This record gives sequence, structure tokens and C-alpha cells, in this order.
Amino acid sequence: GQQLNQSPQSMFIQEGEDVSMNCTSSSIFNTWLWYKQEPGEGPVLLIALYKAGELTSNGRLTAQFGITRKDSFLNISASIPSDVGIYFCAGLRYGGSQGNLIFGKGTKLSVKP
Amino acid sequence: DGGITQSPKYLFRKEGQNVTLSCEQNLNHDAMYWYRQDPGQGLRLIYYSQIVNDFQKGDIAEGYSVSREKKESFPLTVTSAQKHPTAFYLCASSFTSGSAGDTQYFGPGTRLTVL
Repeated sequence: GQQLNQSPQSMFIQEGEDVSMNCTSSSIFNTWLWYKQEPGEGPVLLIALYKAGELTSNGRLTAQFGITRKDSFLNISASIPSDVGIYFCAGLRYGGSQGNLIFGKGTKLSVKP
Repeated sequence: DGGITQSPKYLFRKEGQNVTLSCEQNLNHDAMYWYRQDPGQGLRLIYYSQIVNDFQKGDIAEGYSVSREKKESFPLTVTSAQKHPTAFYLCASSFTSGSAGDTQYFGPGTRLTVL
């Protein structure tokens, strides 16, 4: 099945730095979701985006639904050690079946104190 | 507390053995989903159900079976035909309509190991 192109694959940053990651596709999407997963746990929803151009924040996290509807990005400001984990994007493709999300392969974030 | 529960957290299977993974939700969601997660991979859809007594195959349904007899429950059976080694299984649920109908919420997962 189709997967989203998520980048970067991994990031090693210093505590306090800002982080940016994105997902792109050649297809148009109706919905973009960003999740965080910690080792041995299920993904936790961070931000949901439903409209092209939408910019939504959740604490230090900000995500945007690209205006072309083919991409989305997630920014984390002033990173802290507990931000460590794998961040996944997921999207519902325009014309796709209800609930048939497509997932990126994840961005693994490591934060040095 | 509303949420999704999965059990057991860890499960061991011998080759040739069927095992069943449990998933329960009390969020009043209509739809439920099963995913498999392999190291370094995104999530791949096994089966999903949008309504009681109905379900559809996902991308990797071979070797698995499901049932949806109650709205709250969506158990997954890994049959002896499933040759895949150790993987992490995730259950999710969502509404099926409205602006948030595409947003899926995940359970804590079950780690299945083949001995």
C-alpha cells in the first residue's frame, strides 16, 4: 500500500533546540494527523488537522496542513528530554475509504540533556 | 476513564498455534481497527470494522481473522497460517462521521513473540 514520505528518518538534537519534521505525498489528503509513540506503547494523538492551510498548536507543538493538501509539517519548540520518541504522520487520502489512514514510517527523535 | 484497552501486553505463540488478542473500547466509537507494526516500519492495516457484525480486510489480512459481535470489542486471532515473526499489534478506534470521523485513537499494544 501507499505510504507517506516522512523526513527526516531520525534526529539527534540538544535540549532547547527547535525541531521540524514533515510528510509529503503525491496525492491529495483530507486529514492529517500527528502521533507520538514511546517504546513499547501505542501512538498518542498530538494534533489533528482537517482543513488546508490550517495551523494548530498544542503547547510547544505546532502543525500545519499544507495549502496544496499534499503535505504537513510538525514543529517542536524548545525541546526537552521527554520529547524523545518516534513521531508519525498519518493522512486520509482524498477519495480514500473512511478510516483508511496512510502512515509515514516515523521520525525518531533523540534529545541530549 | 474512557479509552482503549488491549490484552495481554505480552503474548507468546508456538508455530502452528492460534492466539487471540483482545481489544476493548468505551469511547462509544463506531469503527475499530487492527494494525501490525514491524521495526522501522509504519503501521500496516490488518482488518477494520465500521459497524457491528461487519468488517473488511486491510492490506495484510492473510493469516488473521476478526469478529465484531459487540460495538465495544474487536478481537484479533492470529492463525497458524500467519508466518510472520515477532511484531507489535495495535488496536485503534474512531467515529465514522463528523469532522473528527477520521481521527483514530490507539490502545497500548500487544507484543506477540513467535517461539
